[in-house]
Amino acid sequence: EIVMTQSPATLSVSPGERATLSCRASQSVGSNLAWYQQKPGQAPRLLIYGASTRATGISARFSGSRSGTEFTLTISSLQSEDFAVYYCQQYNNWPPYTFGQGTKLEIK
Amino acid sequence: QVQVLESGGGVVQPGRSLRLSCVASGFTFSSYDMHWVRQAPGKGLEWMAVISYDGSNQFYADSVKGRFTISRDSSKNTLYLQMNSLRAEDTAVYYCAKEGGSFGGSYPFDYWGQGTLVTVSS
Repeated sequence: EIVMTQSPATLSVSPGERATLSCRASQSVGSNLAWYQQKPGQAPRLLIYGASTRATGISARFSGSRSGTEFTLTISSLQSEDFAVYYCQQYNNWPPYTFGQGTKLEIK
Repeated sequence: QVQVLESGGGVVQPGRSLRLSCVASGFTFSSYDMHWVRQAPGKGLEWMAVISYDGSNQFYADSVKGRFTISRDSSKNTLYLQMNSLRAEDTAVYYCAKEGGSFGGSYPFDYWGQGTLVTVSS
């Protein structure tokens, strides 16, 4: 099973600033890595797939990148609606599909 | 527009059974693999099961293998999760999710339902 490790667990950033979230895979997942955003009481929403491709309707403030088994989600110029929990997921080697434990992005 | 809507959650005693349903609309249901993902209260996302677009293949997380069964009825555009021998640790919101590509392969989950809460308690 591929283990996905996200860091940090909680990230405090001021509105208008940039946030950088990390996700590491325990082995290669190629670029089969997705990022999801989840707000309280809501379902997860797909933000990024293929490590760097924005899903339909996702703001250009969200970008993803890959370096080997390290993945990064960057949110530029944080807006109030961006404060949420973010999960990475690998869909390369399954079953099982595996998620990271999440990073909570909170207002500083 | 694409929609998936879960139902069937509730409070159930340990050891009992429950069946969840997920009605899909806005896409060709029979062309997409479908998944169940759960989230325990205050916890992260845990993938549970997948069924292939034609229903011929099913895969499960180890935590539910042998207890849960995923199935689909394409004539009704409906996905199911039969949960047997329920345990307290199965308490969670259960989400149905559509895979982002058709006819199998490796894709993320592009549409999720709002979830249905299952509480296992005596």
